[in-house]
Amino acid sequence: EAGVTQFPSHSVIEKGQTVTLRCDPISGHDNLYWYRRVMGKEIKFLLHFVKESKQDESGMPNNRFLAERTGGTYSTLKVQPAELEDSGVYFCASSQETGHPGKLFFGSGTQLSVL
Amino acid sequence: QKEVEQDPGPLSVPEGAIVSLNCTYSNSAFQYFMWYRQYSRKGPELLMYTYSSGNKEDGRFTAQVDKSSKYISLFIRDSQPSDSATYLCAMSLNAGNMLTFGGGTRLMVKP
Repeated sequence: EAGVTQFPSHSVIEKGQTVTLRCDPISGHDNLYWYRRVMGKEIKFLLHFVKESKQDESGMPNNRFLAERTGGTYSTLKVQPAELEDSGVYFCASSQETGHPGKLFFGSGTQLSVL
Repeated sequence: QKEVEQDPGPLSVPEGAIVSLNCTYSNSAFQYFMWYRQYSRKGPELLMYTYSSGNKEDGRFTAQVDKSSKYISLFIRDSQPSDSATYLCAMSLNAGNMLTFGGGTRLMVKP
């Protein structure tokens, strides 16, 4: 069974540019999450999709971040325009179960560097 | 003050040692407690999952939760070089999946 796939694995962009990260969850997982870890900080929750609907987006830092999950399959996270403080590792995770927090399967992450 | 505190390490132990990893937290409302293992350039992988207080054992791993002290632990018996990784504690308020992570402890098990 394929795991959670994220790409690109690395992205280096200049401040002000746009970047789109993609996540393919495990097939059949309705729940999809985005987390990120900025340098020197803990992994922080960004948002949660159930199928194509945003269940919780309380962790999104500002309106430069836009997440979508059209059709309830893969998801994209767009940062526009990117700022220096957006640098970090962006993780996607998926789960099949509800009511069992923590049973998440994480992807390997996208390392984003904004110069 | 961080919601979840975790010593970053690194913690270096010889192969076969018993390892103790810990986290403290400030929010007494946390009910679900997890330990994740993360290898370099990989995503976190769930190791242990506990609801409320108590102990849970799975092979060489034992997770303990002491809600009265707001303290959780992960013990690794007979540690192996393959256990070398960063260990992250995480917790959740409810049955949703918004996890609050500690910063992680880097463990090195030397042959």
